[in-house]
Amino acid sequence: SQQGEEDPQALSIQEGENATMNCSYKTSINNLQWYRQNSGRGLVHLILIRSNEREKHSGRLRVTLDTSKKSSSLLITASRAADTASYFCATISKGSNYKLTFGKGTLLTVNP
Amino acid sequence: EAQVTQNPRYLITVTGKKLTVTCSQNMNHEYMSWYRQDPGLGLRQIYYSMNVEVTDKGDVPEGYKVSRKEKRNFPLILESPSPNQTSLYFCASMSPLMDRGETQYFGPGTRLLVL
Repeated sequence: SQQGEEDPQALSIQEGENATMNCSYKTSINNLQWYRQNSGRGLVHLILIRSNEREKHSGRLRVTLDTSKKSSSLLITASRAADTASYFCATISKGSNYKLTFGKGTLLTVNP
Repeated sequence: EAQVTQNPRYLITVTGKKLTVTCSQNMNHEYMSWYRQDPGLGLRQIYYSMNVEVTDKGDVPEGYKVSRKEKRNFPLILESPSPNQTSLYFCASMSPLMDRGETQYFGPGTRLLVL
């Protein structure tokens, strides 16, 4: 069953703007991860945040996690056309043997 | 270069003709997994393996088989493919014992069409 639900389903912005994507999940988790997928290609891991962390940064990425609301957000600052891709959140639930449960993704389009 | 490879990348077949999609990783990872990706449904886990000779079902195992005879390889077998198995398939691996444990590395995907 799908755990994560991303919001919005699609987002279109101009280069240089910030993009924010949200993810909600249902069960207790060990960690939450964000992946990027370029048009039908493989998934690339972006960032992992553990259940005892609230915020994490990596380059132009900022991820927050609110376990009380079972939600996370991914912020991409100063977006570039090359950031155009689908973004997925995925969770590893407690006791799940490392199974990643993915949301359905947000399609981000960054217009030059 | 550390990577997960899959073959073939594209495959068109007919209903009932057995096929195997290979997956190989060169990172000495213990854990390997297969996912399928379908529009509107996201990625769903088919099977996973915690180590050699240890495999278990994911969320959508029906119609699939796997084996893990060697650490680096984790083939996905469709004994009698049906059109509802038309999908984009991804293999992934990781090592819970390494520093970046729980980060899964994905292959490039295999696009399968069953007629």
